[in-house]
Amino acid sequence: RKEVEQDPGPFNVPEGATVAFNCTYSNSASQSFFWYRQDCRKEPKLLMSVYSSGNEDGRFTAQLNRASQYISLLIRDSKLSDSATYLCVVLSNTDKLIFGTGTRLQVFP
Amino acid sequence: DAEITQSPRHKITETGRQVTLACHQTWNHNNMFWYRQDLGHGLRLIHYSYGVQDTNKGEVSDGYSVSRSNTEDLPLTLESAASSQTSVYFCASSESGPTTNEKLFFGSGTQLSVL
Repeated sequence: RKEVEQDPGPFNVPEGATVAFNCTYSNSASQSFFWYRQDCRKEPKLLMSVYSSGNEDGRFTAQLNRASQYISLLIRDSKLSDSATYLCVVLSNTDKLIFGTGTRLQVFP
Repeated sequence: DAEITQSPRHKITETGRQVTLACHQTWNHNNMFWYRQDLGHGLRLIHYSYGVQDTNKGEVSDGYSVSRSNTEDLPLTLESAASSQTSVYFCASSESGPTTNEKLFFGSGTQLSVL
C-alpha cells in the first residue's frame, strides 16, 4: 500500500462548480499535512497547510480526519485558472515529506 | 528577489556518461533537496542536505551523489547515467527550524533523457 494515495482523476468540472478531492495516508504517526499545486510542466507550489481544526483560504477549504487517516481539499466556485494537479503531501514522523501522485483537475468554460 | 534556479532545463545524454545537474538558491536556506518525478509515482526524494558539508540519502539514492560545499548550491551527479534515470528532476529548499520541511520552494525542474 502506498503511503499517500490519491485518485488521479481527471476531475472535469464546469466553471463555478464545487469540487472535492480526498487523500488517504497510511502512517498514523504522520505529523503535518499539505496540499501543493502543480501546473503542467511546472514546479509544485504550496497551496495550503491542513490543520486539525480545518482551515479555509478564500475558495479553498482543507480538512483533516485523523481517525480515518484522510485529508480533503474543497474548491468552491471553480475558475479556469484552478486547472492543475493537486498534490497531497504528508510530513512523516521521520521529518520527510511524502508526496502523493496527484489529482488532476480540469475546469472547463 | 530570492529564488532557486536549476540548470540545464533540458538535457539529453547517453547511457554510461556522468551528468551533473545544478541547483542554486538565494534564499539562504540551510535545507536543500533533490527529487525526481515520474508518471505513477509521487515526487521521490533522492538526496538532501541540512547544511554545508552535510548530505544524506533519500529513498532512491542509488546511482546519484550530491555535495554541499556552500549554502547556495547542491549539485546532483549521476555517476553513470542509465535509461531508468530518465525523469524530471526538481531541486527544492526550505528554511531550517522546528518544522524544517513544511514549506518547500522548488526550482523549475530539469528534464533529463538518457538514451
